[in-house]
Amino acid sequence: DTGVSQDPRHKITKRGQNVTFRCDPISEHNRLYWYRQTLGQGPEFLTYFQNEAQLEKSRLLSDRFSAERPKGSFSTLEIQRTEQGDSAMYLCASSSTGAGSQPQHFGDGTRLSIL
Amino acid sequence: AQSVSQHNHHVILSEAASLELGCNYSYGGTVNLFWYVQYPGQHLQLLLKYFSGDPLVKGIKGFEAEFIKSKFSFNLRKPSVQWSDTAEYFCAVMENAGNMLTFGGGTRLMVKP
Repeated sequence: DTGVSQDPRHKITKRGQNVTFRCDPISEHNRLYWYRQTLGQGPEFLTYFQNEAQLEKSRLLSDRFSAERPKGSFSTLEIQRTEQGDSAMYLCASSSTGAGSQPQHFGDGTRLSIL
Repeated sequence: AQSVSQHNHHVILSEAASLELGCNYSYGGTVNLFWYVQYPGQHLQLLLKYFSGDPLVKGIKGFEAEFIKSKFSFNLRKPSVQWSDTAEYFCAVMENAGNMLTFGGGTRLMVKP
């Protein structure tokens, strides 16, 4: 399967610890997105990259959150000094560029639980 | 900021029943519209999309959706559901010149065999 891959699938950590998630997009896709989904809600946009450039960030992305895509391929999302409210599913998606909007393809997500 | 409303949070149907899931959005400009499905234990998958042209779009597995611009709606339909359609369904909107998807809260569909 050459879909979007996310690692780890689950992460349990104590409040105050730092965590880092990885996303590998579909290889020919140059756009990469991060979303967060809490229980009973739809995904909420966090940030977006085109190649290595981070072009858009939601106000949900506090200064404890940082995302990178250094070589325009995989991306990492780091959360520093985790809080209870950070518990959620973190989703990565990718898409190609082309005429008009291209559909985003999602990974399985990383479920973060803060103890 | 745009918002997306899905009116039904939980829907229970028997097999062969017809399905219609509501979706309304708040953005007044040109939009692209999507329905995603999440089967139990799986990732979000695209069911269908509307960019332009015929407002009645057909997707995979017999689903279709109709874009009614005057009502800011993009309802999902299927004439006859199957047990395998049990899943959570998300409507999403993207501004035509944008990149982020705005999702509704989802509708959890259970189809009884």
